[in-house]
Amino acid sequence: DGGITQSPKYLFRKEGQNVTLSCEQNLNHDAMYWYRQDPGQGLRLIYYSQIVNDFQKGDIAEGYSVSREKKESFPLTVTSAQKNPTAFYLCASSSSAQETQYFGPGTRLLVL
Amino acid sequence: KQEVTQIPAALSVPEGENLVLNCSFTDSAIYNLQWFRQDPGKGLTSLLLIQSSQREQTSGRLNASLDKSSGRSTLYIAASQPGDSATYLCAVRPKTSGSRLTFGEGTQLTVNP
Repeated sequence: DGGITQSPKYLFRKEGQNVTLSCEQNLNHDAMYWYRQDPGQGLRLIYYSQIVNDFQKGDIAEGYSVSREKKESFPLTVTSAQKNPTAFYLCASSSSAQETQYFGPGTRLLVL
Repeated sequence: KQEVTQIPAALSVPEGENLVLNCSFTDSAIYNLQWFRQDPGKGLTSLLLIQSSQREQTSGRLNASLDKSSGRSTLYIAASQPGDSATYLCAVRPKTSGSRLTFGEGTQLTVNP
């Protein structure tokens, strides 16, 4: 099956802890994106990557970091600097040919 | 800065009714507009994508229109079914933002049997 996988489905973070959310795609897409969704709100862009070894900040990058060492993978780290990390995190990918963004199932991050 | 607004925030209709969801955007310089569906606790599924040069797109019981000059799009759902219950989000791809999308806050639709 082609698609985007995110893990884990639920993640619990302790105070001062860094946590990493996984995003993998086998669609051969060049571009990948991380969004944050808060209850009753739309999606806000955290980081995006148009190509391997390159990424750009989105609208709410503070307290987050990413890497893009492989085309298939775009992990997101929520650092201790992010003071309000509780949210639903969505990863997406797209190709320049199709333009539509395809989304993973999401990871819900909760703070203990 | 591009802003996207969706009205209403929530809508409840009886099964079988035809309905319209609205999306407005502040800057008409866009490449395209997309409508997505999101079920509770799930990711987004793309429903329709309208290029800036197009006026509408259709898929089954769904029809999306785009009036770029007025900054508006509508999603028409014919003969609604309980399975259509979900949150519907629209997103535009501004010409100033590369491949980035700007999303509205969504309309939560409930179709009652």
